[in-house]
Amino acid sequence: EIVMTQSPATLSVSPGEGVTLSCRASQNIKDNLSWYHQGPGQAPRLLIHDASTRDTGIPARFSGSGSGTEFTLTIIGLQSEDFGVYYCQQYENWPLTFGQGTRLELK
Amino acid sequence: QMQLQESGPGLVKSSETLSLICTVSGGSISRGSHYWGWVRQPPGKGLEWIGAITYSGSTFYNPSLKSRVSISVDTSNNQFSLKMISVTATDTSVYYCARLDYSNYFGYWGQGALVTVSS
Repeated sequence: EIVMTQSPATLSVSPGEGVTLSCRASQNIKDNLSWYHQGPGQAPRLLIHDASTRDTGIPARFSGSGSGTEFTLTIIGLQSEDFGVYYCQQYENWPLTFGQGTRLELK
Repeated sequence: QMQLQESGPGLVKSSETLSLICTVSGGSISRGSHYWGWVRQPPGKGLEWIGAITYSGSTFYNPSLKSRVSISVDTSNNQFSLKMISVTATDTSVYYCARLDYSNYFGYWGQGALVTVSS
């Protein structure tokens, strides 16, 4: 099983700021990585797939990068709706696995 | 626009069987080569993939749950289902159904169904 590790666990930021979230895979997953955002009481929503491709309707302030074992999600100009928990997920191998999440909270 | 909706009992007794149905609308479950899957999230915790199925019945399961889980598909009703036997309190979670796109990332999600296992 491929283990996904996200850092940091929590980030405290102010609206308008930028952040970078990290995700590390325990083995090479090429670019088979997706990012999701989960707001309070909501289902996760796909932001990024194939490490760097924004899903339909996702604003350009979200960008993903990386390949192999190291990945980042960058958000510039944070808006109020961006707070919540972010998860990465690998789909290189079964079983599909998620990181434990990074919580973005209001400073 | 594709939509998924989970349904089933919100309360299950310990040692009994959890059963959930996911109804798909806005598209046919039989079109394309997508997997249709289940993910769960214990209260206040992260996401755990349970398993997935194609419209033709090919399945993959998380090895940690494989002995207790089965997923089936009903193409005539555009639904797929989850059964989990011998549940305990640790199975209390929000259960999401989802469509896996192309390379198996989760493109569409249901709103989630909270299932509480009571003793």
